[in-house]
This record gives sequence, structure tokens and C-alpha cells, in this order.
Amino acid sequence: QTVVTQEPSLTVSPGGTVTLTCASNTGAVTSDYYPNWVQQKPGQAPRSLIYSTSNKHSWTPARFSGSLLGGKAALTLSGVQTEDEAEYYCLLYHGAAQVFGGGTKLTVL
Amino acid sequence: EVQLVESGGGLVKPGGSLRLSCAASGFIFSNAWMNWVRQAPGKGLEWVGRIKRKVDGATTDYAAPVQGRFTVSRDDSKNILYLQMNSLKIEDTAVYYCTTGSAEGFWGQGTMVTVSS
Repeated sequence: QTVVTQEPSLTVSPGGTVTLTCASNTGAVTSDYYPNWVQQKPGQAPRSLIYSTSNKHSWTPARFSGSLLGGKAALTLSGVQTEDEAEYYCLLYHGAAQVFGGGTKLTVL
Repeated sequence: EVQLVESGGGLVKPGGSLRLSCAASGFIFSNAWMNWVRQAPGKGLEWVGRIKRKVDGATTDYAAPVQGRFTVSRDDSKNILYLQMNSLKIEDTAVYYCTTGSAEGFWGQGTMVTVSS
């Protein structure tokens, strides 16, 4: 069974920088896993931020960036704002299946 | 403006069936691979299944927990995505979202399915 692992929670100060990571129990995450990042705020539907490792949607703020880091997918927020407090999920493609990570609760304070 | 509007959720008994719909607008639906994703109360996101576009064979793939019980289909003439759910279990209780492929990145607002006796 494929398991995708994220940090359960992270805390960052406003204006700071934070990196969230996403690992797979099948081995190093590469671009072949087409990593996606999705943001969800309480009571709202999820919103896609990043696809295929580092590509942004038209609505994705410039302070969000995606990359591969040390065998994991990574989402970096630079110049964090209070509105970035949310749950962040990564999504990896494992062949025909797609697997979400458990999510990282990002607290900004 | 892209819109994905799910409907068809509700309360159903274990072993029952339900069909969800997702009405799409604002983009060329027939060109899009489409997904269903669910979220149990207080839990994370779980991918349910996907259907490719017709030119790619309209083939489907499913997550292991729903394989053999759920069926994703599409009607490109009506711009509607469906999720037929049979043999429902209590653990299928969740908000069900329809989403486009990753590159488009659109999500609906979801519809709640409650499986309870």
C-alpha cells in the first residue's frame, strides 16, 4: 500500500519562510510522480496551488513555490501571510492511482 | 468562469446506492480528465477515481477501497460527470468533490454523503 507522508503540523511567523515536504514509502519522489499541492482552509473546498512539481495556476500567489528536495516534493512559502494559515495536502501520482498525503496544518503566529 | 457543481448527496443506508453528478461549465469538458475526491468528516483528502477523456479511451481508475463498488462515467453532451456508488459502507461517509485534471486545477464545492442505518 502506497503511503504519502507529510509533516502533521508546522508553525511560522508572519513574513517568514517555511517549507513543507512530501515523501513516498515507494522511494524518492521524482517529477514522474507529478507532485501537486492543494490548500484547504476551514469550512472551504480545497484549492489547487501547484501541479507537476513546480507549475503554478493563474490564481497561485507568487510566494508559493514547488520543488524537489532531498528525495521529497516540497512546497515553500516565502513571506508568509496570516491568510496562509490552512491545511496543505500533497498529491502524488503512482501509476494509474493518485495518493494524497495526510496533510500539514500550517499555523501562522 | 469555471464552475463544477456537485449534487445527489444525501443519507443512505449501508448496502444502498447513490449517484452523484457534477455539472461542469466554463471550460471544454470533453477535453478534460476528471476526478472524484472525498473527505470524511474531520479527515484528510482521499482520491476516489478518475475518468480520462474520450479521445484517450474514457478509461477509468479507482482507489482500492472503492474498486468494484463505484463507477465513474461522463456525458460529454451534457457536460456532466457521474459517480455511481453501490454497496455503500459507513466508511464511505464523506464530502465528495469533483475535480479537473491537475493542470486545470479546478474543484467543486462538494456534496455530502452520509451512510448510516
